[in-house]
Amino acid sequence: AQSVTQLDSQVPVFEEAPVELRCNYSSSVSVYLFWYVQYPNQGLQLLLKYLSGSTLVKGINGFEAEFNKSQTSFHLRKPSVHISDTAEYFCAVSDRDNAGNMLTFGGGTRLMVKP
Amino acid sequence: GAGVSQSPRYKVAKRGQDVALRCDPISGHVSLFWYQQALGQGPEFLTYFQNEAQLDKSGLPSDRFFAERPEGSVSTLKIQRTQQEDSAVYLCASSIGTSNYGYTFGSGTRLTVV
Repeated sequence: AQSVTQLDSQVPVFEEAPVELRCNYSSSVSVYLFWYVQYPNQGLQLLLKYLSGSTLVKGINGFEAEFNKSQTSFHLRKPSVHISDTAEYFCAVSDRDNAGNMLTFGGGTRLMVKP
Repeated sequence: GAGVSQSPRYKVAKRGQDVALRCDPISGHVSLFWYQQALGQGPEFLTYFQNEAQLDKSGLPSDRFFAERPEGSVSTLKIQRTQQEDSAVYLCASSIGTSNYGYTFGSGTRLTVV
């Protein structure tokens, strides 16, 4: 079984400032890692994913994340945020070897970008 | 269609009423998932289909919840005798394969049980 912890339920930040959204996971098996974004009244959109290879993953909208196996973390970063980045962000994992590959999500972090 | 379509977008049900939620996945997507997202929380897995076969229903919270995908495309999530704790957004996602391909989520159905 896997679990995902997003330590910060809300992160307020000023426009053009850098931001880091933290994600830690627990799993007894190898995993794939994902970040999704959810805008109000919409479904989830994939930002980026880590499957294998380079531990630094670049995604859409200028976001990137780094997989740290020893710390079981997959923190999301952006060097300069925009007002339009205001949304809910979810970290998720799936079992690499499970044919179903269902996603286990964290509780989410609300990013609030202020002008 | 271009994306995953869910209907209705909003549903208000009286406690004890049966409801049916529909999901139209992307054409050709083999895998289909249902998730339940309570207010202020992350989505939680309900059930998974590969084509018409329901391969995992371990997340369904009770026997009042039932899902089907008879022809391997459209799926319906049915909730019988709805209760207030069933109030949530129900998300459907589809994928051409397994999670490494990425999922496409629908906009969800917001169910409110009064």
